[in-house]
Amino acid sequence: GDSVTQMEGPVTLSEEAFLTINCTYTATGYPSLFWYVQYPGEGLQLLLKATKADDKGSNKGFEATYRKETTSFHLEKGSVQVSDSAVYFCALKGEYGNKLVFGAGTILRVKS
Amino acid sequence: GAGVSQSPRYKVAKRGQDVALRCDPISGHVSLFWYQQALGQGPEFLTYFQNEAQLDKSGLPSDRFFAERPEGSVSTLKIQRTQQEDSAVYLCASSPYLIYQPQHFGDGTRLSIL
Repeated sequence: GDSVTQMEGPVTLSEEAFLTINCTYTATGYPSLFWYVQYPGEGLQLLLKATKADDKGSNKGFEATYRKETTSFHLEKGSVQVSDSAVYFCALKGEYGNKLVFGAGTILRVKS
Repeated sequence: GAGVSQSPRYKVAKRGQDVALRCDPISGHVSLFWYQQALGQGPEFLTYFQNEAQLDKSGLPSDRFFAERPEGSVSTLKIQRTQQEDSAVYLCASSPYLIYQPQHFGDGTRLSIL
């Protein structure tokens, strides 16, 4: 079945550092890919999405490119802030399905 | 506008009790989903409704779990004879019935079984 694998955390960075969180997936066909963020005590919020190969999703300085050849959707940000500290989840929705399949999440901690 | 609303926010129950968790989706959203999130893990799919029809319940872990959406808006997830392994955060999400539309999540109900 479909699955998502994320790099394990926690990831600890200093403010203004470059961020990469790796995400790879297994799915048949052409899934849609998402990054969700969960701030402490809050629900999941959609951060960005991409619906077809080579699409780049972007929001709030974060970017991720849908790479079908490597089945990856890595999250990047050029300069993180303390306020970016949260748990980040990579997820996919299968081409013919409705449910989301999530990775285990990566904790990001940004120090000032 | 209002987002997905879940209640209660926290629920503590003794093992063996029945619990009911409520979800109010975004107005007009046709699709509604329930997920279970264990501590330190990603959410896992439980069940999916399109309007009042439960189209997929493949993720429900046992017949103690039951979900309904009788009028196609508010949904209730019921867990009978709760067990300690049911302790988790239960998330509800809704989306319009349009291809590529993302799911919008509520803040969840944290269920603790003693």
